[in-house]
Amino acid sequence: KNEVEQSPQNLTAQEGEFITINCSYSVGISALHWLQQHPGGGIVSLFMLSSGKKKHGRLIATINIQEKHSSLHITASHPRDSAVYICAVRSNRDDKIIFGKGTRLHILP
Amino acid sequence: DARVTQTPRHKVTEMGQEVTMRCQPILGHNTVFWYRQTMMQGLELLAYFRNRAPLDDSGMPKDRFSAEMPDATLATLKIQPSEPRDSAVYFCASGGLAVYNSPLHFGNGTRLTVT
Repeated sequence: KNEVEQSPQNLTAQEGEFITINCSYSVGISALHWLQQHPGGGIVSLFMLSSGKKKHGRLIATINIQEKHSSLHITASHPRDSAVYICAVRSNRDDKIIFGKGTRLHILP
Repeated sequence: DARVTQTPRHKVTEMGQEVTMRCQPILGHNTVFWYRQTMMQGLELLAYFRNRAPLDDSGMPKDRFSAEMPDATLATLKIQPSEPRDSAVYFCASGGLAVYNSPLHFGNGTRLTVT
């Protein structure tokens, strides 16, 4: 079983829809990262969380440490949001970064 | 803007050849990670360093891969001999002191093709 699980694996939605991507993990963490990767592109760090909630523009990330769960939300989705979104956690035991498999998001115009 | 620099961006080589990939982390960052990304496996951690010391390289095939940080401004990943199954995008990332949980910064990757 993967230590970081993301759902869904793939998601197609219409422009304007509210998007939620989930991440569950089974290890103790010091931080959780949400990353974005466009096709053929580099990886960009969107958020780093250790508790609570963060917002940046139309993106919102939340984390529940007790439940070992985080969500990434996109409001008023747009075709340019189409990308792979990756959840990664930093282990508090050895600092190792563990990645989820990613969620491929496709927003239709 | 400070950024992680990786070279080369693309590398095509024949099976059996040595490949060296380089990474310049952001100045002041003390943790450096090497990752490999393939369609099948997604992102895999190969090795990481803290304060230039290797902490974990269990993700690397030991017989052919080696990772080093000769100084604080350079990390290298070598494959010798290379094989077609090594074809992937190799990313380097750096981060600040773990205790401050600083964000990760990724390089643009080296796309390696071994024929």
